[in-house]
Amino acid sequence: LAKTTQPISMDSYEGQEVNITCSHNNIATNDYITWYQQFPSQGPRFIIQGYKTKVTNEVASLFIPADRKSSTLSLPRVSLSDTAVYYCLVGDLPMDSNYQLIWGAGTKLIIKP
Amino acid sequence: DAGVTQSPTHLIKTRGQHVTLRCSPISGHKSVSWYQQVLGQGPQFIFQYYEKEERGRGNFPDRFSARQFPNYSSELNVNALLLGDSALYLCASSLAGLQSYEQYFGPGTRLTVT
Repeated sequence: LAKTTQPISMDSYEGQEVNITCSHNNIATNDYITWYQQFPSQGPRFIIQGYKTKVTNEVASLFIPADRKSSTLSLPRVSLSDTAVYYCLVGDLPMDSNYQLIWGAGTKLIIKP
Repeated sequence: DAGVTQSPTHLIKTRGQHVTLRCSPISGHKSVSWYQQVLGQGPQFIFQYYEKEERGRGNFPDRFSARQFPNYSSELNVNALLLGDSALYLCASSLAGLQSYEQYFGPGTRLTVT
């Protein structure tokens, strides 16, 4: 089964750019990489999704190298409200075709004033 | 626009009982997924339904079952509850089925088994 590996925690300061890297060595050819944000006692919130190279939206950028074995979520100019857990998600299609969605353990990001 | 709704928000059950959790997806979304999230851990995938058919199943025992109705709402059933089933149960909906990860999550149902 494909797995993802992320740092357990990170901290940064308001106004800084934060980069969170996710490792996914066994990503399948057709799978996309997706990142979610989760605040305590709430459901996760979709941030961004990509397949290769770079994707940018109004809140974040996602960088994916050519081998797709890792990805980096970039949050520009973070604020205190960006303090949350960030999850990297990739799909998995094991040999028995039982489709599963595997979530990483998440990175707890703490933004300091 | 209404987001994903789940009911109930909180539930307390005793070991051995049965529980039914309900989810209504965003209007127009045909895919519903269920997740279990234990405190301090990431969501664990339980089921995905698309167009009323099961399209994915996680590593959960047969005590867990689900179904999707013609209006795309969904139920998650858990039989013979164990203490370890205590968790936040999340429902997520999306427009497409497989290979789509842009999901919209509900607030969850907090299940406590005593």
